[in-house]
Amino acid sequence: EVQLVESGGGLVQPGGSLRLSCAASGFTFSSYSINWVRQAPGKGLEWVSYISSSSSTIYYADSVKGRFTISRDNAKNSLFLQMNSLRAEDTAVYYCARLGATWGQGTLVTVSS
Amino acid sequence: NFMLTQPHSVSESPGKTVTISCTGSSGSIASNYVQWYQQRPGSAPTTVIYEDNQRPSGVPDRFSGSIDSSSNSASLTISGLKTEDEADYYCQSYDSSDQGVFGGGTRLTVL
Repeated sequence: EVQLVESGGGLVQPGGSLRLSCAASGFTFSSYSINWVRQAPGKGLEWVSYISSSSSTIYYADSVKGRFTISRDNAKNSLFLQMNSLRAEDTAVYYCARLGATWGQGTLVTVSS
Repeated sequence: NFMLTQPHSVSESPGKTVTISCTGSSGSIASNYVQWYQQRPGSAPTTVIYEDNQRPSGVPDRFSGSIDSSSNSASLTISGLKTEDEADYYCQSYDSSDQGVFGGGTRLTVL
């Protein structure tokens, strides 16, 4: 079964950091680009970041550029999102996703004092 | 910045057909593939259409996607509506820099 499972969410204070992980299974992870997408409470989907299969191409939304870093470990079938200088507006459920295919179940990040 | 615009909500009766539009703000929507996602309350999104008009396995053929270059729009059509189709639907494509772009979402009510 093709699966993406996120972890690492939680409550963090403004200005703090958090590292999200996404574990992939059921497909050849190293062959596919992956994205992070987030959804603030009661809001729509927002694309956050993209990484190509070999990590050679990386993109970020303007809202997180300079604060978030996407990376992957193909040997461990894992995707990561390092989030620094977190703000209240970063509060959301974060999904890893193969766009047009598979989504994870999401992990909630809450930025609050 | 490239944007995708969807109606905020649509409603239709069981058994009927509904179409949800997704209009590109600039350029040609046909330049990049459009995907459609279904999100039921409290659940993660799932893909119902990819690459404009392709259905993943397990998605019923009541769901179809199309592109209309003349109106720079994509459409998701659901026929034979069922109460289980009630959900939020999002279109998604890419901008000129290959970055992902989502529409604002459409809430489908089946009543």
